[in-house]
Amino acid sequence: QQPVQSPQAVILREGEDAVINCSSSKALYSVHWYRQKHGEAPVFLMILLKGGEQKGHDKISASFNEKKQQSSLYLTASQLSYSGTYFCGTEIGGRGSTLGRLYFGRGTQLTVWP
Amino acid sequence: EAQVTQNPRYLITVTGKKLTVTCSQNMNHEYMSWYRQDPGLGLRQIYYSMNVEVTDKGDVPEGYKVSRKEKRNFPLILESPSPNQTSLYFCASSLPDRGRHEQYFGPGTRLTVT
Repeated sequence: QQPVQSPQAVILREGEDAVINCSSSKALYSVHWYRQKHGEAPVFLMILLKGGEQKGHDKISASFNEKKQQSSLYLTASQLSYSGTYFCGTEIGGRGSTLGRLYFGRGTQLTVWP
Repeated sequence: EAQVTQNPRYLITVTGKKLTVTCSQNMNHEYMSWYRQDPGLGLRQIYYSMNVEVTDKGDVPEGYKVSRKEKRNFPLILESPSPNQTSLYFCASSLPDRGRHEQYFGPGTRLTVT
């Protein structure tokens, strides 16, 4: 049930772009994205509900392909502050839906260098 | 200030000695959840609660108990802790708004069981 995130780690220079993917074997109701800096709690970035919506937050955006059960997080013109570990969390939809029960991926460690 | 608080922040205990980690939120959130975070495994949900007196098992509920007697509090109880419960624990809460669980995380509790 745990979604698969890729890549496991990304190293960037300031100003470069990155894409983090999240893939599930189950039909999804929602996909959540969080960022966690070292020694801190995860912080909410955005949530996408089924319907293929795309959302944006400053230079961070995400898409959700319901049919493929995949979501991607796009970081554009990365800044030093983007460094951290990014997690996707999924809620299962369709038959056997259990809203409120969240499955998180293992995380993608993003490092941005000056 | 809107926040989720956890106590204690750090705890070292011995095998078999019952303990409780408290979680409290001041945002009138209906949904609350407990996670454990272990290196390389991401966040795994232990229990969650959609509302008062309603709790459900997450991914790794074995060895844990919870209760939700009032909206603001969601304590995590380890009746007989074992070394494999050594971990970083996070409590989180959300409203939710139209099915969107934008979760606010507490600062975390680092538990060591010897």
